Amino acid sequence: DAGVIQSPRHEVTEMGQEVTLRCKPISGHNSLFWYRQTMMRGLELLIYFNNNVPIDDSGMPEDRFSAKMPNASFSTLKIQPSEPRDSAVYFCASSTGTGAALNEKLFFGSGTQLSVL
Amino acid sequence: GESVGLHLPTLSVQEGDNSIINCAYSNSASDYFIWYKQESGKGPQFIIDIRSNMDKRQGQRVTVLLNKTVKHLSLQIAATQPGDSAVYFCAENNSGYALNFGKGTSLLVTP
Repeated sequence: DAGVIQSPRHEVTEMGQEVTLRCKPISGHNSLFWYRQTMMRGLELLIYFNNNVPIDDSGMPEDRFSAKMPNASFSTLKIQPSEPRDSAVYFCASSTGTGAALNEKLFFGSGTQLSVL
Repeated sequence: GESVGLHLPTLSVQEGDNSIINCAYSNSASDYFIWYKQESGKGPQFIIDIRSNMDKRQGQRVTVLLNKTVKHLSLQIAATQPGDSAVYFCAENNSGYALNFGKGTSLLVTP
């Protein structure tokens, strides 16, 4: 099993540019999560999908952030326009849990290190 | 325990010794707890979990203890190895989908 696959591993961009982060969850997992990690705030949940449907996006910081999951094997997180304070590591995670067990045994990808200059 | 400010608490142990990493959680209604290990440049990796109806659970070389009275969780690693060096996070589940992660503890294993 290849695990959760994220791309790119590193992204350096200039303020104002659009950034798209990609994620391929583990096959058969029906829940997908986007997290952001910074030293100041630790790991924060941005949005999660269940069966490709966004269930809760209350963690998305601003309208500049959007996420889609067009099918069970692909999700994107887009930032437009990007700002320096968006610099962080963005993780995608997936699980087979549902209901109360939705986030049990989350499997994380290796993350995308985003630097906005 | 949990970090204060920007600096992660660091636990330094010698190879072969046992390690104990502590975590204080915030919500007495939390019913599920997880420990994750994060190595540099990688995503968090699941280690072990425990439900609130248990007070102890053992895995391979790891044991998680839960004390609901004082809202405390600990991870014990037996015979710590250099490969155990990483940042360890506890997480609690009290809303069904949003894991609440702690800030982490850095474990450094010295030869």
